[in-house]
Amino acid sequence: EAGVTQSPRYAVLQEGQAVSFWCDPISGHDTLYWYQQPRDQGPQLLVYFRDEAVIDNSQLPSDRFSAVRPKGTNSTLKIQSAKQGDTATYLCASSFYPPGENTEVFFGKGTRLTVV
Amino acid sequence: QQKVQQSPESLTVSEGAMASLNCTFSDGTSNNFRWYRQHSAKGLEVLVSIFSDGEKEEGRFTAHLNRANLHVSLHIREPQPSDSAVYLCAVMSNYNVLYFGSGTKLTVEP
Repeated sequence: EAGVTQSPRYAVLQEGQAVSFWCDPISGHDTLYWYQQPRDQGPQLLVYFRDEAVIDNSQLPSDRFSAVRPKGTNSTLKIQSAKQGDTATYLCASSFYPPGENTEVFFGKGTRLTVV
Repeated sequence: QQKVQQSPESLTVSEGAMASLNCTFSDGTSNNFRWYRQHSAKGLEVLVSIFSDGEKEEGRFTAHLNRANLHVSLHIREPQPSDSAVYLCAVMSNYNVLYFGSGTKLTVEP
């Protein structure tokens, strides 16, 4: 079974540039999550979807961040006008709904973003 | 929203000695706790999931949960240098959302 696939693996930007991250979840998983992991910190939830619907995007840092999942499968996270403070690894994860004790969340390897 | 804190921030142990990591959380109503390992070039690997007070063993990894004390720990038996990594504690909430601590960096010396 293929895992969660993310691309690109690395990105280096200058401040003010835009960047998009792409995520392909495990086939059949209806819930998709984006996490931000700054260096030396744990992952922090940004947004999550069930199918194509946004369940919670209240943790997106600002209106410079947006995320979509138009067909309930792949997802794109976009940062407009990146800032140095956006430097972090961006993780995508997926799982089945409904949640339960034995429901596992699978993570991709992440996209490491550096804004200079 | 769960607040999760881990200690220590970093830990160095000798190969074969027990390694003990700690995690506290803010909301005792959750019943779904996980320990993950994160190598620098790899994704997150779940080590142990625990759902009730007491102990849960998965190979060399044992988690202890005490919800009354808002505490979950991870003990690694006979750690190897290959176990050197960042260990993350996570509490699962609605929709399988995970709230993570900031991690403990474990170094196992030969």
